[in-house]
Amino acid sequence: GQQVMQIPQYQHVQEGEDFTTYCNSSTTLSNIQWYKQRPGGHPVFLIQLVKSGEVKKQKRLTFQFGEAKKNSSLHITATQTTDVGTYFCVPTNAGKSTFGDGTTLTVKP
Amino acid sequence: DTAVSQTPKYLVTQMGNDKSIKCEQNLGHDTMYWYKQDSKKFLKIMFSYNNKELIINETVPNRFSPKSPDKAHLNLHINSLELGDSAVYFCASSQGRRLNQPQHFGDGTRLSIL
Repeated sequence: GQQVMQIPQYQHVQEGEDFTTYCNSSTTLSNIQWYKQRPGGHPVFLIQLVKSGEVKKQKRLTFQFGEAKKNSSLHITATQTTDVGTYFCVPTNAGKSTFGDGTTLTVKP
Repeated sequence: DTAVSQTPKYLVTQMGNDKSIKCEQNLGHDTMYWYKQDSKKFLKIMFSYNNKELIINETVPNRFSPKSPDKAHLNLHINSLELGDSAVYFCASSQGRRLNQPQHFGDGTRLSIL
């Protein structure tokens, strides 16, 4: 079955530093979604990547989908305190989506 | 104008009791889900319904029984609550039948078992 690893599990940064979380799959994916969950909140859809090698940007957030469609990354440039939360990748394979374990980001002002 | 609403928001109850959580979405979506999030933030799918039809039923104890009276509602009934059931339960919905569509989540129900 599909094995998905999201790393790191936790990341603590100083405000202004960059942050990256990675999602790696053992199988080729149909697409991948990314969600953000603020502390005490619910997951909120950020973006969906479909094409091999796709790169999408949302302000300071850059999302990439690997050429082989087995991995993806979310990069945040110059983190702010509003970026705190848990970021989940949600790969889709064989028509089924599975939440990764998430990366929890804390930002020190 | 809440898109996905769950009730109650908090649920504190004794071990062995039976309880229900309700979920409603006004987005016109065809597919609804129940997720369990434990204290480590791991988010695990429990059930998924499409137009009142069960399409995902993960390895969940029989004490958990979903019910979908119509495509806008998906309720979760839990019998004989156990300590390990303490978690946050999220309802979600998405468009269409395919399970790879973006999901909209409710605010969650925080269940605590005493």
